[in-house]
Parts: sequence; C-alpha cells; structure tokens
Amino acid sequence: AQSVTQLGSHVSVSEGALVLLRCNYSSSVPPYLFWYVQYPNQGLQLLLKYTTGATLVKGINGFEAEFKKSETSFHLTKPSAHMSDAAEYFCAVSDQEGGSYIPTFGRGTSLIVHP
Amino acid sequence: KAGVTQTPRYLIKTRGQQVTLSCSPISGHRSVSWYQQTPGQGLQFLFEYFSETQRNKGNFPGRFSGRQFSNSRSEMNVSTLELGDSALYLCASRQLPQETQYFGPGTRLLVL
Repeated sequence: AQSVTQLGSHVSVSEGALVLLRCNYSSSVPPYLFWYVQYPNQGLQLLLKYTTGATLVKGINGFEAEFKKSETSFHLTKPSAHMSDAAEYFCAVSDQEGGSYIPTFGRGTSLIVHP
Repeated sequence: KAGVTQTPRYLIKTRGQQVTLSCSPISGHRSVSWYQQTPGQGLQFLFEYFSETQRNKGNFPGRFSGRQFSNSRSEMNVSTLELGDSALYLCASRQLPQETQYFGPGTRLLVL
C-alpha cells in the first residue's frame, strides 16, 4: 500500500523567502510522484511530476522538486515566494504496482505568504 | 484545448434528496475519476471510469454511483443525501489510466 505524508499543515514565509514544502511517501515499487496546487474555490492544478529519469523536476511558476529515493522524499521548493503563491499544496503518489494508477494524496499544506 | 468542466459549480440540497453531478473531460481523454474533498478527510477517491466501464472504486457506500457515456462525459449520483456528504466533488480526466490526471474546478455540494 502506498501513502503520503506532508509535514506541516501550514507553512508561513515572507515574500521573497525560500519556500520548502515537505513530502515523504511510501511505495513498494518505483513511484510516480506529483505536486498539485489548489487555490480557493478551485480544482487542483498540476505543478510538476516525477515519473522516471532526472530526479530534479522543474514545474510551473518557478517551483521544483527533487526525488530522493534513499530518503523517500519529494520536497517542493521555490527560491523566492510571491504573494500569489499562497494556496494549498498537495503531494501525491501514484499506485503503479497493481496497475490501478490511482494517486494517493497527502493531507495538504497551506502556504501563507506574508508581505 | 478546453480543460475539464464540471456542472453545476454549486449546489444546495436537503437530507434524503439525491443529486447528479456532471463532468466533461478534456477532449481525447477517456478516463474520468471522481474525488470527494472535505476538511476532515482530505481528498478521497470515489471511482474511475475508462471507456464507459468502471475501472476502480474507492471505499464509499453504494449511495455513490457513477457512469460514463460514449463521449467520455461522466455523471456522478448520490442518493439519500446525508449531512456528511457536504463536500467539494472533483472530477479529473486523463487520456489513459497510467497518465497524469487533470482536474476540473469542482462542484461544491452543501447538504442541509
């Protein structure tokens, strides 16, 4: 069975500061990993994904994430936070083992950006 | 290319009623999945349809059902609504099951 743990339900940063949102996963097979962002009253928007190949993945809006197999982590970073980054962020791992490919989502991290 | 669309966007129902939600996937996408999002439980998978067949099902009671049409549009039905069914219902589509899902804006259901 796969699972995702997002450390910290809320992360607060100042505008211009580094953003680091933590995600750890468990999976019995090589995972597909995703980060999604959700703005108020909207659906989820894909930020980036890791399937195979390069472990450092670049996404939209200046975000990137690094797949670290030894640490079972897929943390999301952005060098400089912008007010518009304030949103809910979800990490997800996709089930490749049983062939269902149904993603399991973390509980989400709310990013708060202070001016 | 147009994104995933869901109708209606907001809905208010009373306990015991039934409701039908609609989802139109991205053109060319044959897989449609439904999720329930609540503050307490987070994002929970309901079911997935692929080429008009239910491919996967989450752990929800039989009051929750769905179907997919030949044009890949999907509907989700909840019968005998309960207060706990109040949630944001998200639809996601993808071309094939092993590919990335793209989400619609959701339907916010309030059960009174």
